[in-house]
Amino acid sequence: QKEVEQNSGPLSVPEGAIASLNCTYSDRGSQSFFWYRQYSGKSPELIMFIYSNGDKEDGRFTAQLNKASQYVSLLIRDSQPSDSATYLCAVGGFGNEKLTFGTGTRLTIIP
Amino acid sequence: DAGVTQSPTHLIKTRGQQVTLRCSPISGHKSVSWYQQVLGQGPQFIFQYYEKEERGRGNFPDRFSARQFPNYSSELNVNALLLGDSALYLCASSPLTDTDTQYFGPGTRLTVL
Repeated sequence: QKEVEQNSGPLSVPEGAIASLNCTYSDRGSQSFFWYRQYSGKSPELIMFIYSNGDKEDGRFTAQLNKASQYVSLLIRDSQPSDSATYLCAVGGFGNEKLTFGTGTRLTIIP
Repeated sequence: DAGVTQSPTHLIKTRGQQVTLRCSPISGHKSVSWYQQVLGQGPQFIFQYYEKEERGRGNFPDRFSARQFPNYSSELNVNALLLGDSALYLCASSPLTDTDTQYFGPGTRLTVL
């Protein structure tokens, strides 16, 4: 069983719509949760991190965490073509000795 | 402020050779982690170093080794290269404050022929 699971996609969303990306994790001891964006041929870029249950908003991005369901999501409002990328969900323990990544969801925003 | 830097950008080696990859963390960050990303997969944790001490090691063979220097820069060494070692090698630095976020460098693309 994979430790961090994401739908690999591709996920196609019309420009201006809301993109919803989901991630589940298996380790109940996980403490920290991250979303990274990775453009083709580039390195991952941190978008959001969340530590507590509930929602966290930053501009057009909202991260949602439900530890009871072991579920993390990322919402992107008013999607733009520049949001087209692979989105990686990463999970860490206390002290963040390592991050465990999912395989990523490829998102395409259709103009 | 400068971000995480890595060198070289690209590298081509043949099977059996050895390679050294270098990383300089963001100024003020004392923790460096190394990840391997194979095409189509998420990054896989290799090592974490903090204050020159190894804090964590992933499920990689002993052919992989690393070290951190007094200025917090780091090297990753891979011996006896295999075709399967071809990947993007990512270095991430962290301040290890309460947020513990990791910031990635541009990576080194290693191709083993």
